[in-house]
Amino acid sequence: GENVEQHPSTLSVQEGDSAVIKCTYSDSASNYFPWYKQELGKRPQLIIDIRSNVGEKKDQRIAVTLNKTAKHFSLHITETQPEDSAVYFCAASDGGGADGLTFGKGTHLIIQP
Amino acid sequence: GAVVSQHPSWVICKSGTSVKIECRSLDFQATTMFWYRQFPKQSLMLMATSNEGSKATYEQGVEKDKFLINHASLTLSTLTVTSAHPEDSSFYICSAPSAAGIETQYFGPGTRLLVL
Repeated sequence: GENVEQHPSTLSVQEGDSAVIKCTYSDSASNYFPWYKQELGKRPQLIIDIRSNVGEKKDQRIAVTLNKTAKHFSLHITETQPEDSAVYFCAASDGGGADGLTFGKGTHLIIQP
Repeated sequence: GAVVSQHPSWVICKSGTSVKIECRSLDFQATTMFWYRQFPKQSLMLMATSNEGSKATYEQGVEKDKFLINHASLTLSTLTVTSAHPEDSSFYICSAPSAAGIETQYFGPGTRLLVL
């Protein structure tokens, strides 16, 4: 089955700086890679996703890059703000909506004021 | 986006009892729903895939006789934790793709289960 590794487990950055979280996956059949933000006690919220036919996707301060050859993808958050503090999870699936997601272990992002 | 609800939001029960958790898609139909479990400070782990009108598919290591899943309609899937024990205490979250063939999944608010 799929295995998703995520690093770092904790990331502390100064407000206004950029944050980068990296994930690798093992199954070359995976073709859908979402990122979720989860605040304490709440449901995961989809913040951005990318499909394997695309190398990069951007949405305002958030971007995701995908390297299919190396089987890794990364989340980039620029101009970080205090409200960005949360746990971020990467995930992978082989798409089509028929398969559940395999999640990474999560990154606790702390934005220092 | 699509809305998924869960009920109850939290439940406390005695060891040995059964607990039923409902997952509903409110503004769309879902032939497939997924059930995840999340222990404190850990990641989400897929437990099973719920299929409308057919048997659920369980992930390796998940006891199908303990975690009963029923997907009786296109908007409702239920997870019953049978003979619950303290080690079953966890955050149970369901999700559903917004449409058939679409990978984007929307999560319910989760159900926090505490077994005493």
